Parts: sequence; structure tokens; C-alpha cells
Amino acid sequence: DIQMTQSPSSVSASVGDRVTITCRASQDITSYLIWYQQKPGKAPKVLIYAASKLQSGVPSRFSGSRSGTDFTLTISSLQPEDFATYYCQQGSTFPFTFGPGTRVDIK
Amino acid sequence: QVTLKESGPVLVKPTETLTLTCTVSGFSLTNPSVGVSWIRQPPGKALEWLGNIFSNDEKSFGTSLKSRLTISKDTSKSQVVLTMTNMDPVDTATYYCARISYFDTSGLLANSFDFWGQGALVTVSS
Repeated sequence: DIQMTQSPSSVSASVGDRVTITCRASQDITSYLIWYQQKPGKAPKVLIYAASKLQSGVPSRFSGSRSGTDFTLTISSLQPEDFATYYCQQGSTFPFTFGPGTRVDIK
Repeated sequence: QVTLKESGPVLVKPTETLTLTCTVSGFSLTNPSVGVSWIRQPPGKALEWLGNIFSNDEKSFGTSLKSRLTISKDTSKSQVVLTMTNMDPVDTATYYCARISYFDTSGLLANSFDFWGQGALVTVSS
């Protein structure tokens, strides 16, 4: 199975900060990487798919990029509603796998 | 509008079999561009993909739980059913069904879970 790792596991940030989260795949997944946002008690929501494509309706402050097997989710200016946990998921090969998550909380 | 909703027991005993039903609307289970997956999340922990059923009734399962899982669908009822045998307290989790879209609107491969159910918390305890 393809293993997904994320760093950091948590980050404390303030409104307006730029936040970067990294996800690494254990093998080549080309650009089949999806980012989700999950708030407490809610189902995850797609933010980015195909490594850098913004899901319809998602604010443009979210962006994604790829460098080899490393993927980055960037929130350009953190908003109060962005405090949540973020997960990456590889969609390259079954079985699909998720990263362990990165919690973004208020500094 | 696309919706998914999980239903089933909230409490099961160790060694019992769990059966959860996902009732979908707004799309067809025969549409080859989409499928339905089951994903679980233990309290305070990460998401774990369990398995997927395709429009042609093919299935794919996660490695660690493969021997305990069955997924089936009833297209006439728009339902997907997950069964998990030999339940253990470590299987306590919120179980989600989610639609997977294999492609985006421009035909780009996506393989993303674009719609989710609200989740069903299942507790395993005697």
C-alpha cells in the first residue's frame, strides 16, 4: 500500500497568516493527490484534487502544488473558518490511503 | 442534489457482525463515472478507507480489513451495504459513506470523495 505522511501534525497560527502543510507519498502517485478539510463533528470536504485543482466553491486562498512525491497545501491568508484538520489522500492506486492529518488551531 | 445517508446500529457487541446501509440520491449507482466508498474514523483519529464498489459491481478493499469486509449494492433501492464481521472495540468509529468521482467536469482524473454522508458513530462494547 502507498503510505502518506503529513507535516506538521499540528500548527498554531493567527488570522491572516500564511499556512503551509506538506504531504509525502511513499511512492510515485503522479498528481493524484486530494486535500480535505474536516471540522469537528463534520464529514471531510474536498478542497483540492489532482494536486492543484481547486474544487468548485472553495475559496482561492487555498492552493496546492506538487514536487515529485511531495505535495503542499497553502492557505494564503488564514480565516477564522479555516481552523480545522486537513488530510491528504492518494487517488493513484487502490487501496486509497489518507495521511494522518494536520490540525490548524488558533495561536 | 447529491446526498448520502448512513443507517445502522449505534451499538454492536464484540464478535458480532456490523451491517451499515448507505442510501444515496441525486446520482445513479450504475453511473460509471462514480462509485461509493466506505471510510471510517475512530474518535480523535485519522480517516481510514475501507473499500469501494464500482458501477459494474467490482469491489476494492483496504488491505488490513479485507478479510472481514463485504460491500454490495442494490441499484433499485439506491443503497450500498457494508458488512464487517467479528467486530472488536477497536472498530469503534464514525463510519462514512462517500461518493467517489473518478473524473472532474473536464474529464481530468480526480478520484476524489466529493460528497459524504453525515457519518454513523458505531460503538463496539459488551
